[in-house]
Amino acid sequence: EDQVTQSPEALRLQEGESSSLNCSYTVSGLRGLFWYRQDPGKGPEFLFTLYSAGEEKEKERLKATLTKKESFLHITAPKPEDSATYLCAGLMDTGRRALTFGSGTRLQVQP
Amino acid sequence: NAGVMQNPRHLVRRRGQEARLRCSPMKGHSHVYWYRQLPEEGLKFMVYLQKENIIDESGMPKERFSAEFPKEGPSILRIQQVVRGDSAAYFCASSPGGGVSETQYFGPGTRLLVL
Repeated sequence: EDQVTQSPEALRLQEGESSSLNCSYTVSGLRGLFWYRQDPGKGPEFLFTLYSAGEEKEKERLKATLTKKESFLHITAPKPEDSATYLCAGLMDTGRRALTFGSGTRLQVQP
Repeated sequence: NAGVMQNPRHLVRRRGQEARLRCSPMKGHSHVYWYRQLPEEGLKFMVYLQKENIIDESGMPKERFSAEFPKEGPSILRIQQVVRGDSAAYFCASSPGGGVSETQYFGPGTRLLVL
């Protein structure tokens, strides 16, 4: 069964303290890896799409990278407004368009 | 440039009633997806539709749940004879439809509470 696993489940950082979130996947093939941000009571907000190992994408304090088995979301010098749940989702090599989501990492950045 | 719209945002139903959730995709998008997020669980795929066609309903419960995306108007997720276990956040996403690996953009969700 295709699985997407995120770690840690929760992360508390001080403002300015950089860190990385992990998303590993166990599938026969991956067509795309997606990162979303979800604030309480809201829908997932799209951040990045990665399609092949070695690919990197960057936006403000966030950078996403992809290897053959996992993806990382690096957060550089986070601010309190970066506090949210970060979700990764895989589009598997089955021809279907259903995203398989991980359970998310709850990030809290304290001032 | 409106995003994906869902209504109602909150819906309260008593056991046995019907729930109708509506989703209008982003402008120019012809593909719609429904996901469910149960309390303390991750998002789970339910169904994928194009205009007037259900393409993949492998994640949708076989009974009481149905979905449609008519030629005109929003996509509808319908839950008949709701039970307490249906209480969840239901999210709709849309994509343009041009590529099999394209990004899905999500709406704000409908939070269903079954009393």
